[in-house]
Amino acid sequence: ILNVEQSPQSLHVQEGDSTNFTCSFPSSNFYALHWYRWETAKSPEALFVMTLNGDEKKKGRISATLNTKEGYSYLYIKGSQPEDSATYLCAFREDKIIFGKGTRLHILP
Amino acid sequence: DSGVTQTPKHLITATGQRVTLRCSPRSGDLSVYWYQQSLDQGLQFLIQYYNGEERAKGNILERFSAQQFPDLHSELNLSSLELGDSALYFCASRGQVNTGELFFGEGSRLTVL
Repeated sequence: ILNVEQSPQSLHVQEGDSTNFTCSFPSSNFYALHWYRWETAKSPEALFVMTLNGDEKKKGRISATLNTKEGYSYLYIKGSQPEDSATYLCAFREDKIIFGKGTRLHILP
Repeated sequence: DSGVTQTPKHLITATGQRVTLRCSPRSGDLSVYWYQQSLDQGLQFLIQYYNGEERAKGNILERFSAQQFPDLHSELNLSSLELGDSALYFCASRGQVNTGELFFGEGSRLTVL
């Protein structure tokens, strides 16, 4: 059974603070790792697609790193803003695309 | 707008009934994925099609079936419905890049009473 684990499940962060969360996945049969952002009442939208060990991707204040040898990826948000409140999902791609349960981020004003 | 269309958006039906959910992928996308999101659960992978053929299967119940048609739209059929089948069903399509991300439809919310 393919297990994609995300931690923490939920996170409250003060506006302006930086934060990060983790996705762990099997270190064998790696093909790609995706990060998605899922706002309430909307559909998940892709943030990053990561394929190579050591990959680092950045989009504005959000960045992600990938370690395929040890099976983890970190998502970082710098200077959190209210609009960052969402659930952040990672997804592991082998033949299927399997999602973790997500980290629910709440930004406190 | 992701370009993926799902219908219906909402559906209320009774136990024992059968429903069909429909998905049109983004123009040019050959892969279609179906996911189920129940209360307090993440996105559970059901099944994937590529250019009309089944490519991968998840924990899809035997009461559920799917297919992808020559025009690339896909249908998910749910039969002998139970209360526990109430969920948000998402369809997503993937572009031709093999490692590419998924583009999600808005989902079909099924309520079984």
